[in-house]
Amino acid sequence: DIQMTQSPSTLSASVGDRVTFTCRASQTITTWLAWYQQKPGKAPKLLIYKASLLVSGVPSRFSGTGSGTEFTLTISSLQPDDFATYYCQHYDTYPFSFGQGTKLEIK
Amino acid sequence: EEQLVESGGGLVQPGGSLKLSCVVSGFAFSVSAMHWVRQASGKGLEWVGRVRSKANNYATAYAASVKGRFIVSRDDSKNTLYLQINSLKTEDTAVYFCTSSGRYAAFDVWGQGTMVTVSS
Repeated sequence: DIQMTQSPSTLSASVGDRVTFTCRASQTITTWLAWYQQKPGKAPKLLIYKASLLVSGVPSRFSGTGSGTEFTLTISSLQPDDFATYYCQHYDTYPFSFGQGTKLEIK
Repeated sequence: EEQLVESGGGLVQPGGSLKLSCVVSGFAFSVSAMHWVRQASGKGLEWVGRVRSKANNYATAYAASVKGRFIVSRDDSKNTLYLQINSLKTEDTAVYFCTSSGRYAAFDVWGQGTMVTVSS
């Protein structure tokens, strides 16, 4: 089974900062990777699919890169609404799996 | 508007069973692969299982942690996804979300979740 590892576990930042999250797969998943944002008590929201494609309606300050086993999610200029937990997920082969999440906190 | 609404959660004793439902509206349910994902309190997301469409023979797949105990099924005439959960363990306590992998292959539409608590 493919394991997903995210780093860091927690990230403290300020409004206007540029932040980058990292996700690593235990084996190649080409670009079958998605990024989700989740706020407390809410369902996750799909932001990025196929490693770098932005979901319609998601602000362009979100971007994703990577292929193979190394992936990143970048928020170019943090907005107050962005403070949440971010998960990566592979959908290369079953069983699908998620990373453990990165909590983005206000500094 | 695309909408998924889960129901059926509750308090159940270890070893018990429960059947969750997810009613779908606003998109082509019958041709969509549907999934269940769960999240224990304060923990991360765990993919649980999937059922594909009739065209794909309603094929199912499960996480190792639930295989043999959980059954994902669907009724396309009712636009409803199900999760039969048997032989429940305390570690199955979680919010259970239904979700679809449609346009993007990733999980693009989610329900609000239904809480399952396994406790004596």
